[in-house]
Amino acid sequence: GENVEQHPSTLSVQEGDSAVIKCTYSDSASNYFPWYKQELGKRPQLIIDIRSNVGEKKDQRIAVTLNKTAKHFSLHITETQPEDSAVYFCAASKDGGSQGNLIFGKGTKLSVKP
Amino acid sequence: NAGVTQTPKFRILKIGQSMTLQCAQDMNHNYMYWYRQDPGMGLKLIYYSVGAGITDKGEVPNGYNVSRSTTEDFPLRLELAAPSQTSVYFCASSYAPSYEQYFGPGTRLTVT
Repeated sequence: GENVEQHPSTLSVQEGDSAVIKCTYSDSASNYFPWYKQELGKRPQLIIDIRSNVGEKKDQRIAVTLNKTAKHFSLHITETQPEDSAVYFCAASKDGGSQGNLIFGKGTKLSVKP
Repeated sequence: NAGVTQTPKFRILKIGQSMTLQCAQDMNHNYMYWYRQDPGMGLKLIYYSVGAGITDKGEVPNGYNVSRSTTEDFPLRLELAAPSQTSVYFCASSYAPSYEQYFGPGTRLTVT
């Protein structure tokens, strides 16, 4: 089955710097790649997602890139702010029954220092 | 819309006790999910449902059971609680597979 690896497990940046989190997946048939943000003690919330027919997607300071050949995708956060501090999870899934279920990475704890 | 709601927020169980975690959604989603989240381990799928009356196992179903009698409700039953079931449990729902999942606020369960 699908396996999703996420790096790094922790990331500390200065306010205003950029942050990059990378994920690799094992199943070449996976075609949906969401990113969730989880603040301390809160529920995970979707911040951006990308499908395999697109190479890059942006939403203000957040962008996701997908390299299907290498089977990896990345989250880019520019001009980081203290409120970006949270745990970020990547996930992957593919179409079709139970295969549409998300497989999550183990998470990256991002700390943005003011 | 309340979205996805879960009760209780916190619970302490003794080994061998049983309990039901409640989950409800008001978005008319057919797909619902139960996850457990252990520190540093991400989210693991316990059970999922594709509609009322249809449920199936996820990655870590042992020690749990579910039912789905209505579109809105998807309770998770723990039988004979064990310390290994100490975790935070999240319920989620989505319009379809490979679409945004909306999570509930979670239930923090401790088994001692």
